[in-house]
Amino acid sequence: GAGVSQSPSNKVTEKGKDVELRCDPISGHTALYWYRQSLGQGLEFLIYFQGNSAPDKSGLPSDRFSAERTGGSVSTLTIQRTQQEDSAVYLCASSPGGSTALYGYTFGSGTRLTVV
Amino acid sequence: GESVGLHLPTLSVQEGDNSIINCAYSNSASDYFIWYKQESGKGPQFIIDIRSNMDKRQGQRVTVLLNKTVKHLSLQIAATQPGDSAVYFCAENSGGSNYKLTFGKGTLLTVNP
Repeated sequence: GAGVSQSPSNKVTEKGKDVELRCDPISGHTALYWYRQSLGQGLEFLIYFQGNSAPDKSGLPSDRFSAERTGGSVSTLTIQRTQQEDSAVYLCASSPGGSTALYGYTFGSGTRLTVV
Repeated sequence: GESVGLHLPTLSVQEGDNSIINCAYSNSASDYFIWYKQESGKGPQFIIDIRSNMDKRQGQRVTVLLNKTVKHLSLQIAATQPGDSAVYFCAENSGGSNYKLTFGKGTLLTVNP
């Protein structure tokens, strides 16, 4: 697609429920990232996918968080048993990957998650 | 852990003035830096980048300065316009990573007409 697409744009969920956030990267981009942006804060790295390589999950805050990327394209970030502190904007980005992974980072508009 | 930080959370300027947004970083191994602009309800948008082998880089109305001695980065916006109102983030490639970015907390720039 022309840009990184994320859905839903807004999600309100009850504490304890599971949520799934979706990211469609730019066509041809092999690198995909998830970041979290809490209110008034910068972006916090969560996870990185590059092609068929094992993802870097070092930023996932707890085992309630998981992500997968199917077919090297679409990615889903799942948060189980949501807590109020999970409320944030979840941003997905993609880039051409490989030696140019840092260049051409393009972000989606994010999913604003509110846990009530 | 090491992180990128900003000195001022808000900056208010008059239209037509120049704006300067500052950023301090602490990871001396980082060698690539980016400035992003984030408008309300949107994702961060790339503005300009600079590698550590440079101390200045210019774009259209924007200039990034890098002082590795004091680990300081700044973004200068010339002739600031109302459309420049946004949150500005600096980011570094975390300790020299070839894919991971560490972001500062952001500065809210407000341009008054």
